Amino acid sequence: NAGVTQTPKFQVLKTGQSMTLQCAQDMNHEYMSWYRQDPGMGLRLIHYSVGAGITDQGEVPNGYNVSRSTTEDFPLRLLSAAPSQTSVYFCASSRLAGGSTDTQYFGPGTRLTVL
Amino acid sequence: AQKITQTQPGMFVQEKEAVTLDCTYDTSDQSYGLFWYKQPSSGEMIFLIYQGSYDEQNATEGRYSLNFQKARKSANLVISASQLGDSAMYFCAMREHAGGTSYGKLTFGQGTILTVHP
Repeated sequence: NAGVTQTPKFQVLKTGQSMTLQCAQDMNHEYMSWYRQDPGMGLRLIHYSVGAGITDQGEVPNGYNVSRSTTEDFPLRLLSAAPSQTSVYFCASSRLAGGSTDTQYFGPGTRLTVL
Repeated sequence: AQKITQTQPGMFVQEKEAVTLDCTYDTSDQSYGLFWYKQPSSGEMIFLIYQGSYDEQNATEGRYSLNFQKARKSANLVISASQLGDSAMYFCAMREHAGGTSYGKLTFGQGTILTVHP
């Protein structure tokens, strides 16, 4: 049971490049989400999904796209990278059974630098 | 809108002593969950403890306990018998009740850096 996995661990992009951050979980969790962590700001929600085929925007969605074709995978796409997207990105997953009670488990994070 | 406030940017504690990390929250929901996560220097987010808004007893997980005072809207983390490995960033977070456009969203505080001295 690997939990939540993310690839790559580190990435450097040039402004304007696109890329996809991968996230997978093997716990059969319905809920998956992407957060970004910036210094002094805690974690902020980018996008989330409550099941395959269902996604919605979080607090800071601009510049990012997501899709959820399977329960296991929830990739995050940067369409045209900007220096403001330099951050650490975390994927998380949880059950949906209890609503507010369901603990979110995080992947190891991807450190992205946009030059 | 939900808000989490952690007023202690940094805390210091002597090894084997207890320490309390403060967290206050603001929400209009009646049903919500409160979480504490630990982030060591390696960067991963480690779940520590959970408290439900309707739970009458304070949550405990080993050396971690959550001092939940609902009327004051506070959810302080207490670490007993501190260890050197407890040195890390600690985040308090709140999750909304099911429903609404931000379902399941975790709102995080800004974190407290805990340093344990030998």
